[in-house]
Amino acid sequence: KQEVTQIPAALSVPEGENLVLNCSFTDSAIYNLQWFRQDPGKGLTSLLLIQSSQREQTSGRLNASLDKSSGRSTLYIAASQPGDSATYLCAAPLYNNNDMRFGAGTRLTVKP
Amino acid sequence: GAVVSQHPSRVICKSGTSVKIECRSLDFQATTMFWYRQFPKQSLMLMATSNEGSKATYEQGVEKDKFLINHASLTLSTLTVTSAHPEDSSFYICSASGRGGLYGYTFGSGTRLTVV
Repeated sequence: KQEVTQIPAALSVPEGENLVLNCSFTDSAIYNLQWFRQDPGKGLTSLLLIQSSQREQTSGRLNASLDKSSGRSTLYIAASQPGDSATYLCAAPLYNNNDMRFGAGTRLTVKP
Repeated sequence: GAVVSQHPSRVICKSGTSVKIECRSLDFQATTMFWYRQFPKQSLMLMATSNEGSKATYEQGVEKDKFLINHASLTLSTLTVTSAHPEDSSFYICSASGRGGLYGYTFGSGTRLTVV
């Protein structure tokens, strides 16, 4: 059974800082790995998807890396803005299992 | 891009009644749909997985007779919370995956259920 852990649980930074969110998973036979953003009381917005054969993906100020052998993914946010404040979730579906297991998320607060 | 529409966004119902939540994939065929539940300040927990035309697979601890899932077409899945109780109050989110999972997973906007 896939276990997904996200560290830290909460993070507060001043505007403009670069930051890293961490995601680890126990079963490396993942099909892909996704990072999501969730605003309070809202659904999820997909940020980045990394196929299992890929090492990283970039979108604007976001960069996600994947190291399957160590069971880790990181989400790097450059030049953080108050609008980045949200909970960030990672999920790692298994190769032969079509469901996703989510981490508990990192609640990010970017202060103006 | 892939879009999943979930309806309603909010619903308040009386204890003992049933509530139906719809999840539609608007521009792709969703061979598999997933239903999640999220309690305040907690992560999403998978409730069940449904494949079009077959019975849903429920996670351990989820009552299949209470949470009825129907995936009658490649674009629609419904979750019915039967005989709802206050402890069923939660945020329910669906997600849909296209063939082969190549498109990743697209989520609905969620449904806030409050049972009074």
